[in-house]
Order: sequence, then structure tokens, then C-alpha cells
Amino acid sequence: GDSVTQMEGPVTLSEEAFLTINCTYTATGYPSLFWYVQYPGEGLQLLLKATKADDKGSNKGFEATYRKETTSFHLEKGSVQVSDSAVYFCALRPYNQGGKLIFGQGTELSVKP
Amino acid sequence: EPEVTQTPSHQVTQMGQEVILRCVPISNHLYFYWYRQILGQKVEFLVSFYNNEISEKSEIFDDQFSVERPDGSNFTLKIRSTKLEDSAMYFCASRLYPLAGGTDTQYFGPGTRLTVL
Repeated sequence: GDSVTQMEGPVTLSEEAFLTINCTYTATGYPSLFWYVQYPGEGLQLLLKATKADDKGSNKGFEATYRKETTSFHLEKGSVQVSDSAVYFCALRPYNQGGKLIFGQGTELSVKP
Repeated sequence: EPEVTQTPSHQVTQMGQEVILRCVPISNHLYFYWYRQILGQKVEFLVSFYNNEISEKSEIFDDQFSVERPDGSNFTLKIRSTKLEDSAMYFCASRLYPLAGGTDTQYFGPGTRLTVL
């Protein structure tokens, strides 16, 4: 079945460092891809999304490109801030299956001043 | 900005008891979901609900689980006889359009932490 695999955390970076969180997926057809973020004590918030191959989602300095040839959707940010400390979830929505999301296991990011 | 709300934020119950978790989706949304996250594990899909009926459910969503939209605003998840392994964070989500393959977004609530003793 469809699945998402993320790099394991926790990831600890210094402020202004470059961030990459790897995400690969297995799916049939043409899924949509998402990154959600969960700040401490809060729910899941959509960070960015891409709905077809080669689309780039971006928001708040974060970017991810839908790569069908490598079945990947890696999250990147050029310069992280302490406020980016959170858990990041990669997810896919299978095409034509009513909208459920399939999540990766989440990657905890901790940014130190 | 509209948001999904959930109550309670934390529920503690004894094994075998019934619990009802409540959610208020965004008011004009049509598609509703429940997910759960056991501590340290993935967020897992439980059920989706549209037009007053279940549209899809996972293997986790067995006869012990049920969902209901008792009025125009609430969406509930009931667990009839809780087990220790039901301890998890339960997230409600809602979506505007029911179109499969569409580009609209699921909005999540803050979750209810269920602890079964």
C-alpha cells in the first residue's frame, strides 16, 4: 500500500543553519504531497503542498519539490530560526481515494541559538 | 482565521469505559476525518465522513469505534469499550470539498490526548 518514509530525528541545528528533512514515498497513481508542522502543544498545521510532479511548494522560507522520478519531497530551509523548532510530518494524499492522508513518522527539529 | 476545535484536550478513562471525543469542524467544510497518533508512532488515518455517512475507514476502525455528526456543528468519535492500546492523541480534521484528487487542504484540530488506565 501507499506509504511515506521520513528521516529519523531528532535533528538539532544551530540558528541560521541549512535544513533538509528527507521524505520519500510509495504510491500508485498521482498523489498530492504535503508537509505539516506541529509546534509544541498544538495541532498539525499545513506548511506547504504540491499536487503534481515538479511542483514546488513554499511557505515561510521552507520549500519542497515534488520529484516523481525519485519519489521524494524533501523539505528545505536556507536559514533556520529557533522558532522553527517543531515536529515536521511529510504526508501524501492518494489520488482518487477520498482525501485521507498517509503520514510519515515525523521528524523533530530542535534549533539552538 | 477559522479553526477546528476539539474537546477535551485530555481525557483519562478506565479500561472498558466508553469515551466520546468531540470536534467542531470549520463551519462550511463538508468532509471530516479522525486520525490518531500513538506516542512515538505515525499519525494514522481512522475514518472519513461525508454527507452523514462513513466514506472510508481503516482497519483500526473496528466495531468499537463509531462516528456521528449529531447536529450541524459537532463531529464525534465514540470508543465503546476502551482498551489500553487505545491510548493515543486523537486528531480531528475537516476539508472543504469532497472531490478526490482536489487541491484543498485538511485543517487539523489540536488533538485530544486519551489515556486509558
